[in-house]
Amino acid sequence: GAVVSQHPSWVICKSGTSVKIECRSLDFQATTMFWYRQFPKQSLMLMATSNEGSKATYEQGVEKDKFLINHASLTLSTLTVTSAHPEDSSFYICSARDSPNYGYTFGSGTRLTVV
Amino acid sequence: AQKVTQAQTEISVVEKEDVTLDCVYETRDTTYYLFWYKQPPSGELVFLIRRNSFDEQNEISGRYSWNFQKSTSSFNFTITASQVVDSAVYFCALSDTSTGGFKTIFGAGTRLFVKA
Repeated sequence: GAVVSQHPSWVICKSGTSVKIECRSLDFQATTMFWYRQFPKQSLMLMATSNEGSKATYEQGVEKDKFLINHASLTLSTLTVTSAHPEDSSFYICSARDSPNYGYTFGSGTRLTVV
Repeated sequence: AQKVTQAQTEISVVEKEDVTLDCVYETRDTTYYLFWYKQPPSGELVFLIRRNSFDEQNEISGRYSWNFQKSTSSFNFTITASQVVDSAVYFCALSDTSTGGFKTIFGAGTRLFVKA
């Protein structure tokens, strides 16, 4: 079945630095990928829709300059958290649409801790 | 607008009991998809099922069963003879075309505790 690889699984960084998270579709091409954030004991909140070859579409309230998304190929989308602060500490999960079946496959998530 | 409501925040059962997790959704689309995911303590999302809006047939997979009722906009999930390994957070999710991109919106989740 469709597999989405997300890397790294966890990362600890210092406040003020930037962190890049990768999301790769391993056995299918994903024209659209989605990035979610999940705070402890809360639901997954959609941050942005990443479209291959075009700008990402951000949900209301998500700072596009802080959460940079690049979808340069049909198998890779990256999320860069710039100038990270402790409040950015969260679980970030990507998903990709396995078109044309509109199935969604999720990565295993990245736990970001900013100290 | 899209909305998914999981009214049950936490459920606690004893092993071998049956348990039903409720999910009510809102959408203006006639074409949409509904999902259930399991999130164990490790954090990854485990896909359980996807239904499209044109298929109201209920489904059974082992101890899991799903009841899709368009008339009440509900997509409930039942675990029969629950086991300790079923302890997790379960999310119901909806994907439709209202935003043009089939974005998936999640409910708040139901935390299930199964005690031995």
